[in-house]
Amino acid sequence: ILNVEQSPQSLHVQEGDSTNFTCSFPSSNFYALHWYRWETAKSPEALFVMTLNGDEKKKGRISATLNTKEGYSYLYIKGSQPEDSATYLCACYNTDKLIFGTGTRLQVFP
Amino acid sequence: EPEVTQTPSHQVTQMGQEVILRCVPISNHLYFYWYRQILGQKVEFLVSFYNNEISEKSEIFDDQFSVERPDGSNFTLKIRSTKLEDSAMYFCASSGVRVPLNEQFFGPGTRLTVL
Repeated sequence: ILNVEQSPQSLHVQEGDSTNFTCSFPSSNFYALHWYRWETAKSPEALFVMTLNGDEKKKGRISATLNTKEGYSYLYIKGSQPEDSATYLCACYNTDKLIFGTGTRLQVFP
Repeated sequence: EPEVTQTPSHQVTQMGQEVILRCVPISNHLYFYWYRQILGQKVEFLVSFYNNEISEKSEIFDDQFSVERPDGSNFTLKIRSTKLEDSAMYFCASSGVRVPLNEQFFGPGTRLTVL
């Protein structure tokens, strides 16, 4: 059974701090890694889909890297803002479904 | 921007009752999914649906569950006889193409509470 893990479970940072969190997954039979941002009462929103080892993707102040050989991905947020407060989910694609990690709940205090 | 919608946003039901959760996927999408998240646990896959049939289902998706695309727009999840442990947030998702690179677009979820 494919097991995806995320750490930390939760994170509290001050506005302006940069932060990062980790997604770990089995490196064998890897197809793709998805990052989602999920604000309470809203739809999870896709941030990145990554497939290649060494991939780096960026969207504004948020970026992500992928290491498929060792089975991890990092999500970075530069200069966190209160509106970045959300749960960040990673998920591995596996035969037409997504296998999710536990999520990292980020709170950014003004 | 097109989005996936779900109704109702919150459903409360008595144990043993049938519930139908409704979703309207993005209109030109072909692949449809249901996931759920029990409070404090991971989001978990229930079922995928393509070309009017189930493509894949998880162990959770037993005989009490069924999915249907009754017309060209709705995608429903039915739970025939709800149990307490079915209480969860249920998410519908859709995608245009079935490849790993393609993102799945999620709805906002229906919170099901079984009493």
